[in-house]
Amino acid sequence: DQQVKQNSPSLSVQEGRISILNCDYTNSMFDYFLWYKKYPAEGPTFLISISSIKDKNEDGRFTVFLNKSAKHLSLHIVPSQPGDSAVYFCAASADTDKLIFGTGTRLQVFP
Amino acid sequence: DTGVSQNPRHKITKRGQNVTFRCDPISEHNRLYWYRQTLGQGPEFLTYFQNEAQLEKSRLLSDRFSAERPKGSFSTLEIQRTEQGDSAMYLCASSLRTGRNTIYFGEGSWLTVV
Repeated sequence: DQQVKQNSPSLSVQEGRISILNCDYTNSMFDYFLWYKKYPAEGPTFLISISSIKDKNEDGRFTVFLNKSAKHLSLHIVPSQPGDSAVYFCAASADTDKLIFGTGTRLQVFP
Repeated sequence: DTGVSQNPRHKITKRGQNVTFRCDPISEHNRLYWYRQTLGQGPEFLTYFQNEAQLEKSRLLSDRFSAERPKGSFSTLEIQRTEQGDSAMYLCASSLRTGRNTIYFGEGSWLTVV
């Protein structure tokens, strides 16, 4: 039972354009959501998070949107840079702080 | 560097051998987590500690796996009688338990069972 789903395994975007990565979840008890970025052979690096009491959180080039009624969140990266090329994981948690991860989306930003 | 530290970073072992991984969390963090990641999948939760108490264990953590955090600081994850299916990246993470806090990951320990 995949409680957190990232249905796009890969995304290719031109440098300077917007990257939009999507994530869906099924468990209505999730109340905290995070995005992590991962390079090969390294651990995930925290990017941005959002609590269920908000619908938007912004940090520099990264913005996360949460639509609770649709159980959907998205990460926007504007403008995209070649260094953003990595695998992006969406994660969610309920009150235990245990993170449930999606399967990831590989983002490639080309010049 | 005061991030989460894991060692060894890479371990190749023969099937049936025991292996142990060590994790040193960020110093003021009282929660410590172990995750496992295989190719094409996201990290999967294994277990977590608050201080020295192990609060939850996943069904993924078979009897061959044991984790400890004896003094509430560093933690070890031991895998006994390794099997090829244990080949994965083992990730340690830590967080500060005051409200809902970000979980920070280490660089992981790669295990290859041959």
